[in-house]
Amino acid sequence: DAGVTQSPTHLIKTRGQQVTLRCSPKSGHDTVSWYQQALGQGPQFIFQYYEEEERQRGNFPDRFSGHQFPNYSSELNVNALLLGDSALYLCASSGGHLHSYNEQFFGPGTRLTVL
Amino acid sequence: AQSVSQHNHHVILSEAASLELGCNYSYGGTVNLFWYVQYPGQHLQLLLKYFSGDPLVKGIKGFEAEFIKSKFSFNLRKPSVQWSDTAEYFCAVNARSGGGADGLTFGKGTHLIIQP
Repeated sequence: DAGVTQSPTHLIKTRGQQVTLRCSPKSGHDTVSWYQQALGQGPQFIFQYYEEEERQRGNFPDRFSGHQFPNYSSELNVNALLLGDSALYLCASSGGHLHSYNEQFFGPGTRLTVL
Repeated sequence: AQSVSQHNHHVILSEAASLELGCNYSYGGTVNLFWYVQYPGQHLQLLLKYFSGDPLVKGIKGFEAEFIKSKFSFNLRKPSVQWSDTAEYFCAVNARSGGGADGLTFGKGTHLIIQP
């Protein structure tokens, strides 16, 4: 049973560029949440996708956008990158026919460095 | 808006010492409570969770936590720590809504170092 997978593992971009991060949820899950974890901080909620729609959004600017596909996988897009966007981006999945929506399972994350 | 406060940012203990990490949250509705652990170089793992029922919950690796609703607290405990418990510990909360559950709100974390 594959857990949550994310790609790429590491990414280096320059200011002003755009980036796309990808996430495949744990088998059977249908809800994907994205988090940003700055160095030395706890993860911060960006948004959550369910049934290909953004269900809930945290306090992040519109430069952060996402998408969920029919197979429940998800993408996080960040436009006009800033130095402050350097962080570990975590994907978590939950829910589905046989699983609880209350518990989220995390992937290993994508380390984004903005130069 | 929800918030989570972890009392200790850095804790250093010797092996076999007892551990208690404090966590308080603010939210007026029904919440789920979690403790996650992040070992060096590894991803976030769930230590334990509280949804409802018995306020004393047991998790993996000998950890337990007690939900005290009147104090909005969910403190993590372990009677005897091991060197392998060295890690970052995060308390988290989310609200239940519409048959699902909202995004998690995390505390800033506690960096625990166990000295042999």
